[in-house]
Amino acid sequence: SVLTQSPSESGTPGQRVAISCSGGTSNIGRNSVNWYQQLPGMAPKLLIYSSYQRPSGVPDRFSGSKSGTSASLAISGLQSEDEADYYCSTWDDSLNGVLFGGGTKLTVL
Amino acid sequence: QVQLVESGGGLVKPGGSLRLSCAASGFTLSDYYMSWIRQAPGKGLEWVSYISGSGRSTYYADSVQGRVTISRDNAKNLLYLELNSLRPEDTAVYYCAKDCGNDWGGFDYWGQGTLVTVSS
Repeated sequence: SVLTQSPSESGTPGQRVAISCSGGTSNIGRNSVNWYQQLPGMAPKLLIYSSYQRPSGVPDRFSGSKSGTSASLAISGLQSEDEADYYCSTWDDSLNGVLFGGGTKLTVL
Repeated sequence: QVQLVESGGGLVKPGGSLRLSCAASGFTLSDYYMSWIRQAPGKGLEWVSYISGSGRSTYYADSVQGRVTISRDNAKNLLYLELNSLRPEDTAVYYCAKDCGNDWGGFDYWGQGTLVTVSS
């Protein structure tokens, strides 16, 4: 993927974990980043939009940040139900289309 | 409440065609860009296509350009994706998604998906 995510991350309950998304000047460098959570067998759910904003109903344990050509999703107070796949997305001005990261599988130990 | 319900998936032979539909309710369809996103079995998400609220502007991923057509009927609250010249690598769950209206690539509602299997 043009957007690079680490394939897996893990943490223990109560811990804080961060999932990174690395891109380039034509995508993250110029556009906002969105983050999705996908539970097994379910459709993705929007967690963060416009790099930092949370839709209503998303707990404030989830937060987004962006710097240069990278973005990050932080999850604090990790819970067992946070075990899921997480994807970043953004627009690419060169490709004129939406990019998704390859996804990060989060395991709660 | 917002609901998106896809239909039209199924088993099709390589080179065949399929038309997917997405029935939208709970919001004014014409006010929003809409997209199709797919997910191959065991793989990540791949954006397929975007359409503006009026239907006048469309965007496609390079992987489907020329083989796929997105369209909408706002009066009927329906979104469509016509798939042609299908290949085994098009096998995936296809989701329709509503743009959240803030940024490209931000989708705040998704359907449950419809499975397209391309195999002889």
